[in-house]
Amino acid sequence: GAVVSQHPSRVICKSGTSVKIECRSLDFQATTMFWYRQFPKQSLMLMATSNEGSKATYEQGVEKDKFLINHASLTLSTLTVTSAHPEDSSFYICSARRPIAGGGNEQFFGPGTRLTVL
Amino acid sequence: AQTVTQSQPEMSVQEAETVTLSCTYDTSESNYYLFWYKQPPSRQMILVIRQEAYKQQNATENRFSVNFQKAAKSFSLKISDSQLGDTAMYFCAFMKSSTGANSKLTFGKGITLSVRP
Repeated sequence: GAVVSQHPSRVICKSGTSVKIECRSLDFQATTMFWYRQFPKQSLMLMATSNEGSKATYEQGVEKDKFLINHASLTLSTLTVTSAHPEDSSFYICSARRPIAGGGNEQFFGPGTRLTVL
Repeated sequence: AQTVTQSQPEMSVQEAETVTLSCTYDTSESNYYLFWYKQPPSRQMILVIRQEAYKQQNATENRFSVNFQKAAKSFSLKISDSQLGDTAMYFCAFMKSSTGANSKLTFGKGITLSVRP
């Protein structure tokens, strides 16, 4: 399968600071990437869809000014949590979409980033 | 909108036994894909198996197979010869077959599977 990397894997920051998380598709080009948030023992919650060369599409209830997404190239999307607060502490997962031979798409996931805001 | 329902929050199975994880979904789409993902304690999401809705034949991947009942909108996962490494959270997911922005995964709540030695 395709490989998606995510960096950093863990980050601890002080309240009020900003944190950037990178998501890279290592062996394929991804025009579309997705950012998820996951709480312990719960499902993945889609935050936004990141489209290369255009603005991200945010899900209802997600603050776009707080969670800035940039998809500047076909292999890189970044999520910046601005003015982070303890309630932003969570596990963030990115995913890159790739077409499947014969039709349809498949999503490949990064290993996730654990954010802790003190 | 699509919904995916996994009604069992937890299951446990003895090593080497067989276990079936349930999933139902609701959609008005005729063309779509269904997936089972595994999330072990490392939290890396791993694709277990994929089913195209237009295919009547159930997908299989080694010890993993599905029972896809399109009319009933049911998509269960059977794990044969369970291994300790199968301990994980399992998510059922739906994706429209379009290539546009709506082609994204809708996940169920997940089920925690524990394999006992």
